[in-house]
Amino acid sequence: NAGVTQTPKFQVLKTGQSMTLQCAQDMNHNSMYWYRQDPGMGLRLIYYSASEGTTDKGEVPNGYNVSRLNKREFSLRLESAAPSQTSVYFCASSELGPLHFGNGTRLTVT
Amino acid sequence: QQQVKQSPQSLIVQKGGISIINCAYENTAFDYFPWYQQFPGKGPALLIAIRPDVSEKKEGRFTISFNKSAKQFSLHIMDSQPGDSATYFCAARARILGGADGLTFGKGTHLIIQP
Repeated sequence: NAGVTQTPKFQVLKTGQSMTLQCAQDMNHNSMYWYRQDPGMGLRLIYYSASEGTTDKGEVPNGYNVSRLNKREFSLRLESAAPSQTSVYFCASSELGPLHFGNGTRLTVT
Repeated sequence: QQQVKQSPQSLIVQKGGISIINCAYENTAFDYFPWYQQFPGKGPALLIAIRPDVSEKKEGRFTISFNKSAKQFSLHIMDSQPGDSATYFCAARARILGGADGLTFGKGTHLIIQP
């Protein structure tokens, strides 16, 4: 009964380093999403995948790439991290209904 | 361009009181309006949702009021309890090609219920 699982929970990077945030869901949902949450900004969509094999840009895609590895997994990659990417990142999934969120990855870029 | 405007940014209510959070939207293509509740260190979780063909939906102490002509909707929490202290987000959905759910979120309201 895991739902949406994100790893890692916390990460500190130096400017210019790269990393991949992992997300997996066990609800057999077709659609998956990556959001970032910043104080006073709400949740903003970075990328989404309507179904396995497709990905599209959301509201704030610059500096990120994604991979829909299979139906379960959707990863978010930062190729060259910048301090402006310090945020809490949430993965979510849905199937013609409400979004189910993971518990987030708190990323700090120094 | 902010498509969903939420107010207030923060709210303090006494235990037993009514908490009211308001949202306004611009895009008439939105077809579904959920509210999410988020506790510290957790992801947002669906609280209650409404479609634009009804004016009110109630689930326990939580009620959504929807005014389609004014393009506004609000969350009312009756008999507010300290356990309701959390951040609340309104959202609106416009379906994305391919079936994904394109939720646009408000900026959130930090609610504190004082005992």
